[in-house]
Amino acid sequence: EAGVTQFPSHSVIEKGQTVTLRCDPISGHDNLYWYRRVMGKEIKFLLHFVKESKQDESGMPNNRFLAERTGGTYSTLKVQPAELEDSGVYFCASSQVSAGGFYEQYFGPGTRLTVT
Amino acid sequence: GENVEQHPSTLSVQEGDSAVIKCTYSDSASNYFPWYKQELGKRPQLIIDIRSNVGEKKDQRIAVTLNKTAKHFSLHITETQPEDSAVYFCAASHTGGFKTIFGAGTRLFVKA
Repeated sequence: EAGVTQFPSHSVIEKGQTVTLRCDPISGHDNLYWYRRVMGKEIKFLLHFVKESKQDESGMPNNRFLAERTGGTYSTLKVQPAELEDSGVYFCASSQVSAGGFYEQYFGPGTRLTVT
Repeated sequence: GENVEQHPSTLSVQEGDSAVIKCTYSDSASNYFPWYKQELGKRPQLIIDIRSNVGEKKDQRIAVTLNKTAKHFSLHITETQPEDSAVYFCAASHTGGFKTIFGAGTRLFVKA
């Protein structure tokens, strides 16, 4: 079974530019999450999709961030225009209900975004 | 907002010793507490989890304890080995994977 994949693995852009990150969850997983980790700090929750619907977007920093999951499969996270403080590692995770009724999240390898 | 505090931020132990990482959460509705291990250059992976109806869970050298009254939970690694060196994250969430909040991570060094 293929794991969660993310593209690109690294992205270096200038302040003011636009970047789109992509996440392909494990097939069949309805739940998809976006997180960001700034070096040395927590893995900060950004957004949670259930299928194509945004279940919780309370962690999105501001309206420069736009996440989509058309058709309930892969998801994209667009940052436009990027600012220096957007730098960090963006993780995607997916989950599905287990036999016990809980949800183990499987993480992707992350996209390291550097805004210069 | 809700948060999870994790301590220590860095922990160095001698091979064979035990390591303990502690977390405190603020959301009293949290009922699922996973622990993730992230090795250098790799993705975070679940190593153990505990649910609110259980006070302790063990899996070989790894154990987790939960005190819901105090909103504390801890990871215990016994007989540490160099391959245990990694960053460990605790998290707290609700049923269904909602409201998952992570701690800031603990970098564990196991010296051979």
